[in-house]
Amino acid sequence: DQQVKQNSPSLSVQEGRISILNCDYTNSMFDYFLWYKKYPAEGPTFLISISSIKDKNEDGRFTVFLNKSAKHLSLHIVPSQPGDSAVYFCAASEGNTGGFKTIFGAGTRLFVKA
Amino acid sequence: GAVVSQHPSWVICKSGTSVKIECRSLDFQATTMFWYRQFPKQSLMLMATSNEGSKATYEQGVEKDKFLINHASLTLSTLTVTSAHPEDSSFYICSARNGRGTHSYEQYFGPGTRLTVT
Repeated sequence: DQQVKQNSPSLSVQEGRISILNCDYTNSMFDYFLWYKKYPAEGPTFLISISSIKDKNEDGRFTVFLNKSAKHLSLHIVPSQPGDSAVYFCAASEGNTGGFKTIFGAGTRLFVKA
Repeated sequence: GAVVSQHPSWVICKSGTSVKIECRSLDFQATTMFWYRQFPKQSLMLMATSNEGSKATYEQGVEKDKFLINHASLTLSTLTVTSAHPEDSSFYICSARNGRGTHSYEQYFGPGTRLTVT
């Protein structure tokens, strides 16, 4: 049972435009959500996160939106740059009750075309 | 940001031998370390969670006798793949969690270890 789902395996965007990566989850106990960026043969790099008590968190070109009622979050990258091309993983954590175990989605490969 | 190292970055071993992978948090004390496995073009699969000084908690389907995890200190965790077989070939990634402050949920990942069993 996939608790964190990224239904789009890939996304292609033109440089300068907005990239929107989506993520859905099923476990209502998740209280913290994170996005990681990963290049091939490297470990993931933390990008941005959001607590379940918020609905938006912004950091430079990256904004994460959380819709708890829909159990949906999204990552917006604007403007997109060729260097943003990577695999993006959505992750969710349950905090103290869940031992801070983090569950990852399958990832979305983003291609930003110059 | 916090730095996590892994050693070795890649290893080739013969079937039946054991391989140890080290994970170190270089500039913070990791209360919890996680071990993941990633197959090509697939997501990160959590194998086990380890807290310093206690036994690791393994995810369902992960053989604890095959994947030995030791979290001897707040900066070091090791994963030993015992009696490795070709199907154990994979990319193994560790992560460490600080456990303190407002960023206690964040995990910092090592660069990964590519294991190839021949």
